[in-house]
Amino acid sequence: GIQVEQSPPDLILQEGANSTLRCNFSDSVNNLQWFHQNPWGQLINLFYIPSGTKQNGRLSATTVATERYSLLYISSSQTTDSGVYFCAGTLGGADGLTFGKGTHLIIQP
Amino acid sequence: EAGVAQSPRYKIIEKRQSVAFWCNPISGHATLYWYQQILGQGPKLLIQFQNNGVVDDSQLPKDRFSAERLKGVDSTLKIQPAKLEDSAVYLCASSPPISYEQYFGPGTRLTVT
Repeated sequence: GIQVEQSPPDLILQEGANSTLRCNFSDSVNNLQWFHQNPWGQLINLFYIPSGTKQNGRLSATTVATERYSLLYISSSQTTDSGVYFCAGTLGGADGLTFGKGTHLIIQP
Repeated sequence: EAGVAQSPRYKIIEKRQSVAFWCNPISGHATLYWYQQILGQGPKLLIQFQNNGVVDDSQLPKDRFSAERLKGVDSTLKIQPAKLEDSAVYLCASSPPISYEQYFGPGTRLTVT
C-alpha cells in the first residue's frame, strides 16, 4: 500500500497567522482528501483534490499529482481552526483511504 | 441531507466482553467503510463494503472482529472477545456511486478495561 507522510507534526500559531501543511505520498494517488478533526473527534471534509487547486474561504489546497504531494493553506487563522489536519489517499478511486499521522495545529488568541 | 449516523457514541466494556457498533450511511451511498482510529494516529481501514458485498477486509482481525451489511444499507461491526488494545474510536464512512469522496460519521469511542 501507499505511505503518507505529513509535515509538520505540530504547529503552534497566533491568531491571524498563515500556515502551510504538507502531505507527501509514496505513489501516485487517484483520490486525495484533506480533513479537519475537531476536538470532539469528528472528521470534517475540507477538500477532495486528486489534482489541481481549490479554494474555500480562508482555506485552499493544491495537489501536484506528478510529484506526489499536496499542500493545505490556512490564511488568517482563527482559534476555531485548532485541531488535527489529516490528508488521506487511495491508489484506486473507491478504495479505503490511507491516512497520514496528521498535523496538530494550535491557534492561540 | 443527513450525514452518516453511528451509535452508540461511547461504550465502556471489560476485556473478553463483546460489543457491537451500528452505522447508517448517507442515503444512496453504495460504498461503506469501517475505520479504527487509535489515539494519536490516523484512521486505519478495517473493512469496505460495496452494497452488501465485502470488497476489502484484509486488515480486519477476523479472529475477533466481524462486520455485516445485510441489506446493502446499514452495517454492524462486532468485536468478540474484546482486548485492551481494541480501545479506539471506530469510524464509519460512506461514498456515493460516482464520486470517490468519503464522508465520515461522528464515531464510536470504545474503552476496554
